[in-house]
Amino acid sequence: DVKVTQSSRYLVKRTGEKVFLECVQDMDHENMFWYRQDPGLGLRLIYFSYDVKMKEKGDIPEGYSVSREKKERFSLILESASTNQTSMYLCASSFPEQTSYEQYFGPGTRLTVT
Amino acid sequence: GQNIDQPTEMTATEGAIVQINCTYQTSGFNGLFWYQQHAGEAPTFLSYNVLDGLEEKGRFSSFLSRSKGYSYLLLKELQMKDSASYLCAVRDSNYQLIWGAGTKLIIKP
Repeated sequence: DVKVTQSSRYLVKRTGEKVFLECVQDMDHENMFWYRQDPGLGLRLIYFSYDVKMKEKGDIPEGYSVSREKKERFSLILESASTNQTSMYLCASSFPEQTSYEQYFGPGTRLTVT
Repeated sequence: GQNIDQPTEMTATEGAIVQINCTYQTSGFNGLFWYQQHAGEAPTFLSYNVLDGLEEKGRFSSFLSRSKGYSYLLLKELQMKDSASYLCAVRDSNYQLIWGAGTKLIIKP
């Protein structure tokens, strides 16, 4: 069974804090993704990575950065948290996109910025 | 621009059949996915269509018409546990997933 884990289910941070969200997958997937999910909107891609030390901007990268030092771990960093970054953050992983392989999701981190 | 449209909410009765539609306009097409997401949980994969036609998997079936930019997810013999959001996602020409906002399905006894 593919397992994608995220470091926290719930997180409360103050405006201006630096926030780290960790994601680990155990299936040797090359691809990893960070999304945010807000009511009434589809999943929006923040960043993704196709390989170690490689990162690509998604649709809404502003205010975020990522790190992938090991294949199984993909970290999302909020440099200076703001209230508009209050959201559900979902990490996903998959084999290369040129196949029919689906993305596997972690349980999500519900982040509240006060 | 790229767009995925799904109804926001649907209601159905336990034991009945429901069809959730998804229409898309994307730059290219490399497959369509359906995911199920229970409240407060992660999305889980249901089905994948890349060719026209119907794919059946137990109580769930998914249909695709590429010429019409249209798909539907058919759920038969509805159970209370099917109450969830159903997300449609299309892989575009860059192999990026474009996500719909999801359809919240409410099952009534």
